[in-house]
Amino acid sequence: DVKVTQSSRYLVKRTGEKVFLECVQDMDHENMFWYRQDPGLGLRLIYFSYDVKMKEKGDIPEGYSVSREKKERFSLILESASTNQTSMYLCASRGGGPRDSYEQYFGPGTRLTVT
Amino acid sequence: AQSVAQPEDQVNVAEGNPLTVKCTYSVSGNPYLFWYVQYPNRGLQFLLKYITGDNLVKGSYGFEAEFNKSQTSFHLKKPSALVSDSALYFCAVRDITDKLIFGTGTRLQVFP
Repeated sequence: DVKVTQSSRYLVKRTGEKVFLECVQDMDHENMFWYRQDPGLGLRLIYFSYDVKMKEKGDIPEGYSVSREKKERFSLILESASTNQTSMYLCASRGGGPRDSYEQYFGPGTRLTVT
Repeated sequence: AQSVAQPEDQVNVAEGNPLTVKCTYSVSGNPYLFWYVQYPNRGLQFLLKYITGDNLVKGSYGFEAEFNKSQTSFHLKKPSALVSDSALYFCAVRDITDKLIFGTGTRLQVFP
């Protein structure tokens, strides 16, 4: 079974702090994604990565950056946390070969509160 | 542009009754469609997918979904609901850049 883990389930940070959210997958997947989930808005894509050291902006990248130095790890960085970044953050991964049919595998999520 | 819509914010059903959670989509070409479930304070779990083939797709936990091309719908169904099915359900469609576009979610509440 694919396992996607996230470094924290709950996180409380102060406004202006730099925040790191870590995600690790164990299935050698090429593709990794960061979403935020807010009530009534569903999941919105922040950033994704198709390969090591590669990143692409999603729909709402403002205020975020990412890092992918190793294939299994994809980090989301909030350079200066703000209260409007209080949300549930979900990481996902997906294989990239022809046998894969595009379903993504999700981690348990990190509920971030910025005060 | 690709999109997916879940017209109901919440669906209420009595235990033992059939349930339907609705999803409609708009996509260029052949759609790849997915259903995910999210239990409280958890990540999303994959339920089922439609890529090609039979219009009725069977998935985990007794769920199934019916692909209807003419109505551009992919409704999630279960013949007999359980209280433990109460959760948040998301429909998703693959877009032309291979990303998933998610609906806003439907909260299913099954009453004993």
